[in-house]
Amino acid sequence: SQTIHQWPATLVQPVGSPLSLECTVEGTSNPNLYWYRQAAGRGLQLLFYSVGIGQISSEVPQNLSASRPQDRQFILSSKKLLLSDSGFYLCASDGRSNTGELFFGEGSRLTVL
Amino acid sequence: AQSVTQPDIHITVSEGASLELRCNYSYGATPYLFWYVQSPGQGLQLLLKYFSGDTLVQGIKGFEAEFKRSQSSFNLRKPSVHWSDAAEYFCAFFNDYKLSFGAGTTVTVRA
Repeated sequence: SQTIHQWPATLVQPVGSPLSLECTVEGTSNPNLYWYRQAAGRGLQLLFYSVGIGQISSEVPQNLSASRPQDRQFILSSKKLLLSDSGFYLCASDGRSNTGELFFGEGSRLTVL
Repeated sequence: AQSVTQPDIHITVSEGASLELRCNYSYGATPYLFWYVQSPGQGLQLLLKYFSGDTLVQGIKGFEAEFKRSQSSFNLRKPSVHWSDAAEYFCAFFNDYKLSFGAGTTVTVRA
């Protein structure tokens, strides 16, 4: 089965600083990959998904970006963080099943001060 | 618009009692439907899924869900809850590469 690794697990960043969250996947190849954000009391919001290397679809306009430099690597970035970027970020993979059966990482908790 | 709705934000249930979490969907065709569970501070785990066929689906941890087209519902049930079932539960549907979640229902289990 798949394993999703995310890091860092926790970080505290000042407003205006850059961000890089990394996600790597083991146990599958050519997966569809996803970034979700979970803000306090607001459920799960799909931010980006990728069906292949260099292919990124954005669901919500914002100051975040995503990249997929390798088949099993998915990176979430920002050049300048906002307070509203605080939240719990989850990376997920469907192992190319394209059925909605997602495997999730343990998440990265970002606090912007 | 296609969506899932979870009417209950928070449910408290006694250990050993039955549990039912509601989910309503809005979709033209038969959607792919899911229930996921999230323990505090962790990622999500798939409990069960419905694609087609038998409308009563069994999942892990003793959970089951029933798809009712006439009511546009996919409610999650467990006959007897354990303290370890305290978590947040999300209903979701899949379409066009994307898994969209309901707002979630937090379940508290009291002794």
